[in-house]
Amino acid sequence: DIVLTQSPALAVSLEQRATISCKTSQNVDNYGISYMHWYQQKPGQQPKLLIYEGSNLASGIPARFSGSGSGTDFTLTIDPVEADDIATYYCQQSKDYPTFGAGTKLELK
Amino acid sequence: QIQLVQSGPELKKPGESVKISCKASGYTFTDYAMHWVKQVPGKGLKWMGWINTYTGKPTYADDFKGRFVFSLEASASTANLQISNLKNEDTANVFCARGGVRGVMDAWGQGASVTVSS
Repeated sequence: DIVLTQSPALAVSLEQRATISCKTSQNVDNYGISYMHWYQQKPGQQPKLLIYEGSNLASGIPARFSGSGSGTDFTLTIDPVEADDIATYYCQQSKDYPTFGAGTKLELK
Repeated sequence: QIQLVQSGPELKKPGESVKISCKASGYTFTDYAMHWVKQVPGKGLKWMGWINTYTGKPTYADDFKGRFVFSLEASASTANLQISNLKNEDTANVFCARGGVRGVMDAWGQGASVTVSS
């Protein structure tokens, strides 16, 4: 299995930038496409797709969310952070059978 | 709009079985795969497997082989998950998620709570 490693939590101030990292145990790129996706989950809700294939913004997602990276190192950036962004963020790879990171809980500083 | 609506919460005893449904609307059901994802309360997401909604072929993650069965009622645009011989560790929220291109899960059901307790 491909293992995805995320930091458990990140504290950030409103209107500042948040950068959430995801490192994979194997390369998840193939033919120039990153098989890496990002989701947001708020308590009591289902996950919501934010970013697909490393850097593509999902439909209806605000432009303050962006994704970058390749190979084994990926980043989700929220700039600027708004109160509604307080949630847990998961990365997921689909190069092999899907696996998720353990999630990064975004908290207010 | 795309919607995945799951069945309601279930309270079961160890050894019993449960069937969870996921009804899709707003798109052609057989054009997209359906994934199943488990989340123990307070914990992360774990992929259980997926079903090809065109052929009906299921694929199970290693930890979900044996007691778990994915099935379809394609005429009703519904995917089902049946878990038999329930154990306490099956207590979780279970989500269905539409499988898009290159393995992205681009729409999710609201989740179905399964509680296993004697």
